[in-house]
Amino acid sequence: GQNIDQPTEMTATEGAIVQINCTYQTSGFNGLFWYQQHAGEAPTFLSYNVLDGLEEKGRFSSFLSRSKGYSYLLLKELQMKDSASYLCAVRANRRADDYKLSFGAGTTVTVRA
Amino acid sequence: KAGVTQTPRYLIKTRGQQVTLSCSPISGHRSVSWYQQTPGQGLQFLFEYFSETQRNKGNFPGRFSGRQFSNSRSEMNVSTLELGDSALYLCASSLPRGQTSIGANVLTFGAGSRLTVL
Repeated sequence: GQNIDQPTEMTATEGAIVQINCTYQTSGFNGLFWYQQHAGEAPTFLSYNVLDGLEEKGRFSSFLSRSKGYSYLLLKELQMKDSASYLCAVRANRRADDYKLSFGAGTTVTVRA
Repeated sequence: KAGVTQTPRYLIKTRGQQVTLSCSPISGHRSVSWYQQTPGQGLQFLFEYFSETQRNKGNFPGRFSGRQFSNSRSEMNVSTLELGDSALYLCASSLPRGQTSIGANVLTFGAGSRLTVL
């Protein structure tokens, strides 16, 4: 099976920075995704990493180290609307027709004023 | 462009009953995946369909089944419902990775169907 771990909860102050770590042990690796899910809503795509390094998209950045089985999502200049669950997901299969993602349990981030 | 539409959004069933959930993907998306989301377990993969064929299946009992129609709409069915089937069932559609700007098949999720089994 696939094992993907991330912290259950994190709390931070508005304007601060929060880093959500994700470690994975999977049978293979063909990309890591981060999704954001507000309560009662659909998960929405945030970022994708398949090579080592940092991907930056505005206030959000995602980092990947394949040798360490490790990724993090960095949220900068936190806003109240960033309060949500953040899901780490790994695509383990290299087959082009395999779209299955294995998800971590999610990290609930609470932003306080 | 309409998103992924799931119906019904909420439903309550009793043990032993069966349920059918529907998913209409984004126009042009031919792949439809289904996930079960429960507190503490996260999203668990159920199955994925492409061009009316099931391409992949997760580790769920045979009570969970699905199908896809020629217009890419998909349904999933759960028979002989158990209390533990209470969950949010999410459907997602995607393009092949070669047709996306990032070279990866990004899943676009619907808002889900919340099933409560009493």
